[in-house]
Amino acid sequence: GAGVSQSPSNKVTEKGKDVELRCDPISGHTALYWYRQSLGQGLEFLIYFQGNSAPDKSGLPSDRFSAERTGGSVSTLTIQRTQQEDSAVYLCASSLGAAPPLHFGNGTRLTVT
Amino acid sequence: AQSVTQLDSQVPVFEEAPVELRCNYSSSVSVYLFWYVQYPNQGLQLLLKYLSGSTLVKGINGFEAEFNKSQTSFHLRKPSVHISDTAEYFCAVSDSRASKIIFGSGTRLSIRP
Repeated sequence: GAGVSQSPSNKVTEKGKDVELRCDPISGHTALYWYRQSLGQGLEFLIYFQGNSAPDKSGLPSDRFSAERTGGSVSTLTIQRTQQEDSAVYLCASSLGAAPPLHFGNGTRLTVT
Repeated sequence: AQSVTQLDSQVPVFEEAPVELRCNYSSSVSVYLFWYVQYPNQGLQLLLKYLSGSTLVKGINGFEAEFNKSQTSFHLRKPSVHISDTAEYFCAVSDSRASKIIFGSGTRLSIRP
């Protein structure tokens, strides 16, 4: 594809429900990142994949958050038992090789009511 | 572990005036440094990057940044800003193994006519 694709673009869910956010990176990009951007805040690192493995999960806020990547391509970020503080824009980015820059998707805006 | 500090959350300047957005980092290893820009209602895009070599890096739209290892800084500058430069600017750092990329909290640049 031409760029990083994220779906859905918007998601409204009720507190306590589970949500899945999807990221399709640029074809051939080996590295994939998830970030969270809250209103008025910077980008909070969540998790990083190199291929299908996640060398660094240190940014996941709690055990309600998990992510996986299959086939070295698509990644899914899952939030279980959503809370209102999970409301944010979730950004995915991918990069090629050992010297990024990152190519960002347009994000998924998650609203927990 | 790396960290990034953007000292100014907001910077207002007049059109055609010069601007400097400050960024300081900490790392125990060699680093890659980046500036990303997020225009209103758009995704993040790379403005410029420092990987190695010349410490003065030129980017798009007339921006440049200087890597100062002794001061652990990577300040962004433009000699004359335009209304279209109104955006949020993020400094980012990764170690030279190009793993986790950490972003600062962002600086909102507002241009007054």
